Amino acid sequence: QSALTQPPSASGSPGQSVTISCTGTSSDVGGYNYVSWYQQYPGKAPKLMIYEVSERPSGVPDRFSGSKSGNTASLTVSGLQAEDEADYYCSSYGGSNNWVFGGGTKLTVL
Amino acid sequence: EVQLVESGGGLIQPGGSLRLSCAASGFTVSGNYMSWVRQAPGKGLEWVSVIYSGGDTYYGDSVKGRFIISRDNSKNTLSLQMNSLRVEDTAMYYCATVGATHPYAFDYWGQGTLVTVSS
Repeated sequence: QSALTQPPSASGSPGQSVTISCTGTSSDVGGYNYVSWYQQYPGKAPKLMIYEVSERPSGVPDRFSGSKSGNTASLTVSGLQAEDEADYYCSSYGGSNNWVFGGGTKLTVL
Repeated sequence: EVQLVESGGGLIQPGGSLRLSCAASGFTVSGNYMSWVRQAPGKGLEWVSVIYSGGDTYYGDSVKGRFIISRDNSKNTLSLQMNSLRVEDTAMYYCATVGATHPYAFDYWGQGTLVTVSS
């Protein structure tokens, strides 16, 4: 149950796009289409932003999109807004009834 | 509206025990997969445990053999019994639904309860 690998930080200017990667193995990210992404503001609980690799829950802006290639999943935030500045975590079902999270990426809007 | 409210956190000495609770409303705990996820101060999220609607339970390697997840259907609550606590168990503990409406994702989260293990 090793954590998924995310870059510790990412940044972009308002209106730009930024992509955050999440690298796992063939036992988790590569083996299942059950990758999800979470947004977390300081002192707050995480919020589901993407599930099943690329699906958006109701109410999540379509500026947020997800994809996967092999053992790496990605979250893209288009048209960056100041309110997007937060920590982002990926997660994957890891098989054998367990889940694994990434280490988190701090997104800064310049 | 789905709501989850955790309680039971606090300061506990290493080796001690603590029981966390998560009161649910707007849905039934027994009919859903439920999980505990923790976050050490300044660190990332870590999956702790899951209980399936059928009652099967599973744990992360770091807590296996020390923590026990359970539910009380009559009170619609989820619990986490934490034994043999270690300093490294210090974290905010969140309860969350798993796949309630979004398969294999942690859909709904509580606000968390803080556990501090220190002498």
